[in-house]
Amino acid sequence: QSVLTQPPSVSGAPGQRVTISCTGDRSNIGAGYDVNWYQQFPGTAPKLLIYGNNNRPSGVPARFSGSKSGASASLAISGLQTEDEADYYCQSYGSSGSVFGRGTKLTVL
Amino acid sequence: QLQLQESGPGLVKPSETLSLTCTVSGDSITSHSYYWGWVRQPPGKGLEWLGSIYFTGSTHYNPSLQSPVSMSVDTSKNQLSLRLSSVTAADTAVYYCARLGLDSSGYYHYVFDFWGQGTLVTVSS
Repeated sequence: QSVLTQPPSVSGAPGQRVTISCTGDRSNIGAGYDVNWYQQFPGTAPKLLIYGNNNRPSGVPARFSGSKSGASASLAISGLQTEDEADYYCQSYGSSGSVFGRGTKLTVL
Repeated sequence: QLQLQESGPGLVKPSETLSLTCTVSGDSITSHSYYWGWVRQPPGKGLEWLGSIYFTGSTHYNPSLQSPVSMSVDTSKNQLSLRLSSVTAADTAVYYCARLGLDSSGYYHYVFDFWGQGTLVTVSS
């Protein structure tokens, strides 16, 4: 049961900038809870990419950035690289606990 | 270096109980700063939070789960455990344990900052 809406897929050419949207409602993102983003490569565990809406854990390149406005959030990837091809999940908190988006597959053309 | 390792049967029969253990090394599960939790991912699908637990035994479960869930901690072994009862084929998934850090408010633990590698559990007769 995903209550955060993400586009199923996005794509971009190397060097371009892409954004992935994440839409919630007043019970989760819109209630003021943070949005976190995770990157997952096939056959591996998710990895924390962005936390607290716009903070990068140590080791995450600066070309990954996050933002939040109202009940929505976005992940932006600038200077797209082939190794960025992965699945991306947004996640927040709500009245029933943690909630994830269904994920967005990023294809680097 | 923090490591989380899930273990348990890879095959469970329908209507039986799925039991998994997560062994934590490189950090103590009695740390006051973190919760610990479980997330699953059916093949080819997205992530689903199952629940979270504090070292005191305080738990938060996903109310939308079809199968009853329970979690526990064994502080002497630095382990957490997951039990899912009366499983069906819909419970077939990769199960991950993870550490949960605080959000920016400092009140809620829902930042999954470290993950285990995951273990595939198939429900089939």
